[in-house]
Amino acid sequence: NAGVTQTPKFQVLKTGQSMTLQCAQDMNHNSMYWYRQDPGMGLRLIYYSASEGTTDKGEVPNGYNVSRLNKREFSLRLESAAPSQTSVYFCASISQGARPTNTEAFFGQGTRLTVV
Amino acid sequence: QKEVEQNSGPLSVPEGAIASLNCTYSDRVSQSFFWYRQYSGKSPELIMSIYSNGDKEDGRFTAQLNKASQYVSLLIRDSQPSDSATYLCAVGSSGGSYIPTFGRGTSLIVHP
Repeated sequence: NAGVTQTPKFQVLKTGQSMTLQCAQDMNHNSMYWYRQDPGMGLRLIYYSASEGTTDKGEVPNGYNVSRLNKREFSLRLESAAPSQTSVYFCASISQGARPTNTEAFFGQGTRLTVV
Repeated sequence: QKEVEQNSGPLSVPEGAIASLNCTYSDRVSQSFFWYRQYSGKSPELIMSIYSNGDKEDGRFTAQLNKASQYVSLLIRDSQPSDSATYLCAVGSSGGSYIPTFGRGTSLIVHP
């Protein structure tokens, strides 16, 4: 997707393994987000970063950590993967304008993670 | 906990018909509302934003907002098979950091 690069696209982990999902945006947005999407559950917020140097928990943060390395990059780390973390993960870069026409939202291509 | 509710569907309409997708939200002070389209296996794409009560039109799409009823809808006129996708409603937070809350999405199927 234009503007947001997310890697990897697919990953299979064994229970207990760790991994980091990488995300970078080139639109100079302040806010970046990590969501997970499970069948029938919509997008649930894991963590977000309102600006460089700040991160906050979302709805489902347990088992995850994040790093806002700089304005462009926002990574998500699974320290000890569990089968319950099998999901599709999306990174998003969103800039909400004062008017609807000023709002920009871009999602990465997604990471399909399977934990066995 | 803010809630955004959508009927999961699927909503099935014939080609050329009007598709009507609905969304309700719980946070009365929400100020910004969005519709995303997500094709199967792909990432969400922002298609409409609306902040004020009333209608906002963009091509074949019309977003409708009624803050008093806490209700947002998306109308798709002259529906095409290429409109078949899941449509996600999102509601922005009422203050401070922008934190969109998503509904679970409505699956739309447009059949020829």
